[in-house]
Amino acid sequence: GQNIDQPTEMTATEGAIVQINCTYQTSGFNGLFWYQQHAGEAPTFLSYNVLDGLEEKGRFSSFLSRSKGYSYLLLKELQMKDSASYLCAALDSNYQLIWGAGTKLIIKP
Amino acid sequence: DAGVIQSPRHEVTEMGQEVTLRCKPISGHDYLFWYRQTMMRGLELLIYFNNNVPIDDSGMPEDRFSAKMPNASFSTLKIQPSEPRDSAVYFCASRSDRAAPGELFFGEGSRLTVL
Repeated sequence: GQNIDQPTEMTATEGAIVQINCTYQTSGFNGLFWYQQHAGEAPTFLSYNVLDGLEEKGRFSSFLSRSKGYSYLLLKELQMKDSASYLCAALDSNYQLIWGAGTKLIIKP
Repeated sequence: DAGVIQSPRHEVTEMGQEVTLRCKPISGHDYLFWYRQTMMRGLELLIYFNNNVPIDDSGMPEDRFSAKMPNASFSTLKIQPSEPRDSAVYFCASRSDRAAPGELFFGEGSRLTVL
């Protein structure tokens, strides 16, 4: 079967760094995507990785290891507005997104 | 440029009633997706269209659900008759053929409550 695993909830301190991990098992693989979803709002696209390595976008970076079926999202210089759920999704062989349940990130002052 | 527009934002109805949710995708986007999100099951793909043609409706829960896309700028998701277990947030999303396949633009969602 197809499966995405990510932690249910994480807590971090304003100004710190946090890493949200994601492991995936899909039939075929065509990329790994990260979305941010604030409470009561729509998911918004953050980043994606197709090849192994690190993609950096300002305070946010995403890493992929295809051989390990593993990705992480790294958030630096945390701000209160980063409190949200972070959804990991893998694109399978049919180019369909398989979604994780999301990681709720709580930022404390 | 306007994003994906959904209506209504909130709908409260009674069991057995018909519910119609509407979506206007971003102009020029070739793909349109209908998702449902609940705490228990997360984001579930219900159906998606490519150039107004339904491609995969295997996620539609049962015959009570139907979706149409009569033209490139409008789609509906209909539930008839509605049941309490249909209560969820329904998202419409679109994407361009020129973007990464997983880069979707979501509407604000329609929060459905069936009593």
